[in-house]
Amino acid sequence: GAVVSQHPSRVICKSGTSVKIECRSLDFQATTMFWYRQFPKQSLMLMATSNEGSKATYEQGVEKDKFLINHASLTLSTLTVTSAHPEDSSFYICSATLDRDYGYTFGSGTRLTVV
Amino acid sequence: GESVGLHLPTLSVQEGDNSIINCAYSNSASDYFIWYKQESGKGPQFIIDIRSNMDKRQGQRVTVLLNKTVKHLSLQIAATQPGDSAVYFCAEAPGGKLTFGQGTILTVHP
Repeated sequence: GAVVSQHPSRVICKSGTSVKIECRSLDFQATTMFWYRQFPKQSLMLMATSNEGSKATYEQGVEKDKFLINHASLTLSTLTVTSAHPEDSSFYICSATLDRDYGYTFGSGTRLTVV
Repeated sequence: GESVGLHLPTLSVQEGDNSIINCAYSNSASDYFIWYKQESGKGPQFIIDIRSNMDKRQGQRVTVLLNKTVKHLSLQIAATQPGDSAVYFCAEAPGGKLTFGQGTILTVHP
């Protein structure tokens, strides 16, 4: 089956620093990847959609200069949280798909804690 | 940091009972729906999907019902087991963009 690897699974960083999260599709080419953010006991909120080789499309209210998304290859997308602050602490999850008929495969998530 | 938002509703059942989890969606253009199970600290896991040209689809111990008239989706789990305890989300994918509904916390008591 399709596998998506997300790293790191947990990260603690100091306020003001940047953190990069990687999302890799291991056995298929992901033309589209999605990034979600999830607060405790809440649903997954879509942050942005990235297509290989083009700029990401951000959802309303998501700061594109703060959450930098790069989808440079068909198997790798990265999310960089720049100048992180405690309110950025959350669970970040990626999803990858070849197309809708192929289905959506999720990474295992990254727990970000900003201190 | 935690945003201000709706917390998930809960459903508690006894082992062996049938569970029904409901979901309302708002986009009348949505033509593809998926139910996911999420365990604590993990990413969502696919359970079952349904396209808008169907109103019912069955899997192993699970059934999804779609009512397009009232924009409502339900997931039925037969003979619920303790291992089914998790958070369940419906998701819709109009045009391929996958967005999630509110979700329900299911707790199964032995």
